[in-house]
Amino acid sequence: AQKITQTQPGMFVQEKEAVTLDCTYDTSDPSYGLFWYKQPSSGEMIFLIYQGSYDQQNATEGRYSLNFQKARKSANLVISASQLGDSAMYFCAMREGRAAGNKLTFGGGTRVLVKP
Amino acid sequence: GAGVSQSPSNKVTEKGKDVELRCDPISGHTALYWYRQSLGQGLEFLIYFQGNSAPDKSGLPSDRFSAERTGGSVSTLTIQRTQQEDSAVYLCASSLALVRGRGEAFFGQGTRLTVV
Repeated sequence: AQKITQTQPGMFVQEKEAVTLDCTYDTSDPSYGLFWYKQPSSGEMIFLIYQGSYDQQNATEGRYSLNFQKARKSANLVISASQLGDSAMYFCAMREGRAAGNKLTFGGGTRVLVKP
Repeated sequence: GAGVSQSPSNKVTEKGKDVELRCDPISGHTALYWYRQSLGQGLEFLIYFQGNSAPDKSGLPSDRFSAERTGGSVSTLTIQRTQQEDSAVYLCASSLALVRGRGEAFFGQGTRLTVV
């Protein structure tokens, strides 16, 4: 079974609008962390936001917020007020277990194209 | 340097030749990861190192792939008898190993390997 599933291969969003990128995960470990990364066309991987499984509140980082629904095992990324520079691939990832050095497992990604 | 450094940035090799890819992690990061990304695809986990523990090699696709990490710092990924399907971008990442906290992975720019 896939550990991380991103069901949207690609999507368009109008500049200045919000967009939600879906991510569902599968784990039996009660301790885990969820990450979102952005990969622009230049290829670099940029860390965006983190949510720990025991965190009581949804994570926010500037225009990025994470809609964490633990019972549904989903960790959707919301980008508010989209900008042209947000056009990129977005990857959801999970680390299981307490040790922060455990491997990250990535989803297949969602390509976002922001239209002016 | 301040970030994860990978070399070479590009490598073109003939089918059947061996290649070595190098990764210099961020100083002080005890966890080091190798991923492979084919064009337009997600990240495929290959191997990760954590301190002095035995590496997790569960992602290596065949025995032609091997990696080592010397002195807990620099890592080399070796691909023997390269095949055309080995063509991809090879990404290295490192992170702090924290008992708590996000311990996000920082990625290098990758090595683009082309097997002709």
